[in-house]
Amino acid sequence: EPEVTQTPSHQVTQMGQEVILRCVPISNHLYFYWYRQILGQKVEFLVSFYNNEISEKSEIFDDQFSVERPDGSNFTLKIRSTKLEDSAMYFCASSEEAGGPYNEQFFGPGTRLTVL
Amino acid sequence: DAKTTQPTSMDCAEGRAANLPCNHSTISGNEYVYWYRQIHSQGPQYIIHGLKNNETNEMASLIITEDRKSSTLILPHATLRDTAVYYCIVSGSYNTDKLIFGTGTRLQVFP
Repeated sequence: EPEVTQTPSHQVTQMGQEVILRCVPISNHLYFYWYRQILGQKVEFLVSFYNNEISEKSEIFDDQFSVERPDGSNFTLKIRSTKLEDSAMYFCASSEEAGGPYNEQFFGPGTRLTVL
Repeated sequence: DAKTTQPTSMDCAEGRAANLPCNHSTISGNEYVYWYRQIHSQGPQYIIHGLKNNETNEMASLIITEDRKSSTLILPHATLRDTAVYYCIVSGSYNTDKLIFGTGTRLQVFP
């Protein structure tokens, strides 16, 4: 069964460093998402991406964050200058369609980001 | 903010049906009810969704009240592997695809 994959599974970085989290969505999916979950808290939406552009983003997704689909298979989340509060599990998700009755999103296993 | 209310936690004996309620009294006519679950710290997993009719798939059944203000997810024969946090999410109009997760219901299945 096709699945969303994410690398690395765990990333440790120093505050102020740039990190890139990578995701390979399911191959025929057209909609891509990033969510994050701070330890013990809710899963929070960050951004959705379709047709090579951001379709929606949350307040969390500020200028320090960016997303890219560089090669038609990978989908990346970049944090330019990490802060301690960016420590969280980051989940990538993809879906074939979106909205209304088509919001079946497939989630990856997550990347645990630890900022020291 | 999430537009749903769920109990914080529930227990269920293995092999019995688990009935997880959700209140979504402010749901609008074109919004769907989705259920996802998260086992330990894994990525959320889609379970089922519906608009107004009851739905069933290989994982679960979804019962939506006639006024659509509440719903119940039913796991007919719970197993230990069904221990997870279950999220009821109201989603969608066609111009937004984000999922807004609440705190969900922590279901503990015991032997």
